[in-house]
Amino acid sequence: GAGVSQSPSNKVTEKGKDVELRCDPISGHTALYWYRQSLGQGLEFLIYFQGNSAPDKSGLPSDRFSAERTGGSVSTLTIQRTQQEDSAVYLCASSPRTSGRPGEQFFGPGTRLTVL
Amino acid sequence: GENVEQHPSTLSVQEGDSAVIKCTYSDSASNYFPWYKQELGKRPQLIIDIRSNVGEKKDQRIAVTLNKTAKHFSLHITETQPEDSAVYFCAASTRGGADGLTFGKGTHLIIQP
Repeated sequence: GAGVSQSPSNKVTEKGKDVELRCDPISGHTALYWYRQSLGQGLEFLIYFQGNSAPDKSGLPSDRFSAERTGGSVSTLTIQRTQQEDSAVYLCASSPRTSGRPGEQFFGPGTRLTVL
Repeated sequence: GENVEQHPSTLSVQEGDSAVIKCTYSDSASNYFPWYKQELGKRPQLIIDIRSNVGEKKDQRIAVTLNKTAKHFSLHITETQPEDSAVYFCAASTRGGADGLTFGKGTHLIIQP
């Protein structure tokens, strides 16, 4: 079946503008994650959604970052007043988490964000 | 919070030789340790994982070992092949993987022909 999809694949924006990044998880996956990957660095956890529970926002680097997940499926990551240090690849992952034994996290192709 | 250190940052081995990548973690409550492989320009993909109730797990040429006392875990690849060339990331979770993973900075594995 279809994997995790993200759009756009590339986004170039000017400093100070707002951007929205979209993630479509694998159908039926209840858990959704956002990570950020800067050049030559590992993946940095940003936020996690599980079903209808309140999201775990502990990884968001500042209040300029927010995310929502509508209808338990599609998620949007919003970065307000972008800064050059926000330039990175933003990866979304989903997981068929079930109680007792969480599943593998399946990653999307990422959105490469460049802030000029 | 959790901190994961990964070494080496770059590893070059001859085709057919073995490769070992090591990670340490700081939070003794961590109980799930996956390894992801990321080829150039592609998305990370899980290659193997281990939970804290076992000390070793093997899948064909890939194995992972876990030492909970020392808080370190390692990835072992035997009989390396050109297609093993990629960046490998270790990660840790305190909730069995049901939360955001804490990743190491990655190891660029180069297989020399």
